[in-house]
Amino acid sequence: NAGVTQTPKFQVLKTGQSMTLQCAQDMNHNSMYWYRQDPGMGLRLIYYSASEGTTDKGEVPNGYNVSRLNKREFSLRLESAAPSQTSVYFCASSEAGLAGTDTQYFGPGTRLTVL
Amino acid sequence: QKEVEQNSGPLSVPEGAIASLNCTYSDRGSQSFFWYRQYSGKSPELIMFIYSNGDKEDGRFTAQLNKASQYVSLLIRDSQPSDSATYLCAVNILSGGGADGLTFGKGTHLIIQP
Repeated sequence: NAGVTQTPKFQVLKTGQSMTLQCAQDMNHNSMYWYRQDPGMGLRLIYYSASEGTTDKGEVPNGYNVSRLNKREFSLRLESAAPSQTSVYFCASSEAGLAGTDTQYFGPGTRLTVL
Repeated sequence: QKEVEQNSGPLSVPEGAIASLNCTYSDRGSQSFFWYRQYSGKSPELIMFIYSNGDKEDGRFTAQLNKASQYVSLLIRDSQPSDSATYLCAVNILSGGGADGLTFGKGTHLIIQP
């Protein structure tokens, strides 16, 4: 049982390049989330998927797109990377749907640098 | 706009003492409250969650919630050097049939001094 896995662990991009961050969970959770963490800003929600087939914007969605490929996988795409997107990206999942089941479990993170 | 406030610290506590971490939140609709611990360079790790007013204890950790005052705290008894980390407070408003993500505070950096 690996929990939440993310690939890659590290990535360096040039401004304007695109890339997709992958996330998968093996806990049969309904909901999945993407956060970014910046020094002094804390964790901020980018997008979430409450259930398979749905996605919604979070606090900071600009410059990102997401795909909920199936119940296990939730990817985050940067179409044209900018230096402001340099951050650590965390994926999380939760069972959700019912009160008391919304505890979120986090993946190890992807450290992205945009030059 | 949901806001979660924490003192950034650092909070320095002697080994064996009680560490007290505090958090306030702005949205009265918040229903669930979480404490995560994050070591440098690592991902957030859940310590405790609390939904009801009052205290909830788990080993050396006690979470306290006061919805009237919009205040949640975490007490760590018999603090150990391994407790040195950043502690993140997070709140959630459950909507419809699913959670809509957590709103995090910026975290309190705790240092346990041997």
